[in-house]
Amino acid sequence: SQQGEEDPQALSIQEGENATMNCSYKTSINNLQWYRQNSGRGLVHLILIRSNEREKHSGRLRVTLDTSKKSSSLLITASRAADTASYFCATGVTGNTGKLIFGQGTTLQVKP
Amino acid sequence: DAGVIQSPRHEVTEMGQEVTLRCKPISGHDYLFWYRQTMMRGLELLIYFNNNVPIDDSGMPEDRFSAKMPNASFSTLKIQPSEPRDSAVYFCASSSGQPNEKLFFGSGTQLSVL
Repeated sequence: SQQGEEDPQALSIQEGENATMNCSYKTSINNLQWYRQNSGRGLVHLILIRSNEREKHSGRLRVTLDTSKKSSSLLITASRAADTASYFCATGVTGNTGKLIFGQGTTLQVKP
Repeated sequence: DAGVIQSPRHEVTEMGQEVTLRCKPISGHDYLFWYRQTMMRGLELLIYFNNNVPIDDSGMPEDRFSAKMPNASFSTLKIQPSEPRDSAVYFCASSSGQPNEKLFFGSGTQLSVL
């Protein structure tokens, strides 16, 4: 079953703008991860934030985690056409050793 | 490292035929996952292994699906008999160390059952 729900389902922005994607989940987690998938390819890990962390940065990516609201957001700053892809959140569920459950994803289009 | 290697890249078969998907995880990784991706259901975890032992197969849709990991460097996902509703992209992924750590995905097998 899908634990994560992502919002919006699709997002279209101009190059240079920021893109924000949100993820909500239902159960207690060990960590939350974000992945990117280019069309026809496998998923690529972007960033991992642990349940005791509130914010994390990696290059142009900023992830926040609010465990009280069971939600996370991914911000991509100064977007580029190459950022066009689908973005998925995945939760490492507490008590399920090793298991990651993915959300439905947000499709991002960055127009040049 | 070559990454997670899956074969075949594409598979087209007829309903009722047996299908075998193959995966070679990254050397040293002790977790291996099989996921299925469709437009309707998104990414579904089918089964995962730790140190070659199946840990959770609750996502395997039915008895037609089976998965094995005979050694640390090879896993198979078999569908017998295949049905059109099995058409999807099947991904293998591996990870190392602690549970829930980041996954490395293969390129996937695009399966079409006619």
